[in-house]
Amino acid sequence: DVKVTQSSRYLVKRTGEKVFLECVQDMDHENMFWYRQDPGLGLRLIYFSYDVKMKEKGDIPEGYSVSREKKERFSLILESASTNQTSMYLCASSSAPLSSGGYEQYFGPGTRLTVT
Amino acid sequence: GENVEQHPSTLSVQEGDSAVIKCTYSDSASNYFPWYKQELGKGPQLIIDIRSNVGEKKDQRIAVTLNKTAKHFSLHITETQPEDSAVYFCAYPNSNSGYALNFGKGTSLLVTP
Repeated sequence: DVKVTQSSRYLVKRTGEKVFLECVQDMDHENMFWYRQDPGLGLRLIYFSYDVKMKEKGDIPEGYSVSREKKERFSLILESASTNQTSMYLCASSSAPLSSGGYEQYFGPGTRLTVT
Repeated sequence: GENVEQHPSTLSVQEGDSAVIKCTYSDSASNYFPWYKQELGKGPQLIIDIRSNVGEKKDQRIAVTLNKTAKHFSLHITETQPEDSAVYFCAYPNSNSGYALNFGKGTSLLVTP
């Protein structure tokens, strides 16, 4: 069964702290993604990776960085957490295209991060 | 990212009724249109998708229709049940990467018994 796990369901950090969010997938997927989800804004892409050590900026990369040292693991790093980074963070992975031509993304359960 | 508008933001229907959610997109090059369902406490999950060369696709009680001329696609749920209550997102490929998706802002569907 397909599985994407995230290291924490809930996290509380202080302003200025360095925060690591970890995501692991067990499906041998090439592509991995980090989104943040905010009420009324939907899901917004922060960063994605299509291979080990490869990363690409999404639509809102400011204040974030990522690391992909192993195929199964994709980490999101908040270099200096700020209150406006309080949000739900969702990790996803995908692999080969579907018959429809698209790529199904498998999501983890999310990490709700609060920065105080 | 590109703009995709999703309506309505909330929808309440009685059990057994139909529900329709519509998304309008701006990038005419888009060729793949999925719908995701997010239940409380979980990540979104793909429920149905459609390619641009198909006008309609059905899977039991759910269907997706696509109008490429008008640049909109819709999710139709018939004979709604309480377990259909969730947040639904439309999406389409991010032009910066065919692997990533742009998501709509979501529709919170409530099915009352």
